[in-house]
Amino acid sequence: QITLKESGPAVVKPTQTLTLTCTFSGFSLSTSGVGVAWFRQPPGKALEWLALIYWDDVKRYSPSLQSRCTISKDTSKNQVVLTMTNMDPVDTATYYCAHKKGAGLYNWFDSWGQGTLVTVSS
Amino acid sequence: DIQMTQSPSTLSACVGDRVTITCRASQSISSWLAWYQQKPGKAPNLLIYKASTLESGVPPRFSGSGSGTEFTLTISSLQPDDFATYYCQQFNSYPYTFGQGTKLEIK
Repeated sequence: QITLKESGPAVVKPTQTLTLTCTFSGFSLSTSGVGVAWFRQPPGKALEWLALIYWDDVKRYSPSLQSRCTISKDTSKNQVVLTMTNMDPVDTATYYCAHKKGAGLYNWFDSWGQGTLVTVSS
Repeated sequence: DIQMTQSPSTLSACVGDRVTITCRASQSISSWLAWYQQKPGKAPNLLIYKASTLESGVPPRFSGSGSGTEFTLTISSLQPDDFATYYCQQFNSYPYTFGQGTKLEIK
């Protein structure tokens, strides 16, 4: 059974850097084909894909956030970390991590964490 | 970026109704489309991938069809548990993008 759980601060101040951790079980990020992605969803709005990291450390980012986001993995700890710099109130959202299925570029997401709400406010 | 447009944005229906949600892509995405269901305060739940393949454990009243730029999600007979928001997602190319969502409400 695959499980994922996000953790991180509930509140960050504008201009600060957000660091979120996704801790997972039921799969290994050292296994060929495996990947974990981050998404976010502002209150009352649609989902947005942020970044994806593959087992071989290939990383893909949303172009709109690429300059601010970094995704990394710690295979030994079964964790994926997302950092986002220069946070702004418009970044207030629930942030999710998810396990990918599929191959190569063609990926959908079959298991999701419960999400963590991050509020950006001074 | 590929834009995904869902219609309608809101849909009112009764238990037992057959409903269809449409998702249109701004360019061809072949069959690289997924559908998710999301309930308030919960994470999205995968229903369908590759446009028409039902995820394991999803009731067969859900079905998907389409290819290219136009796709549909059909629920053959609405159950009380189906009232939720539904999103389509394309995975033909980066960045992966979602539709704006369709909220399915009880009539």
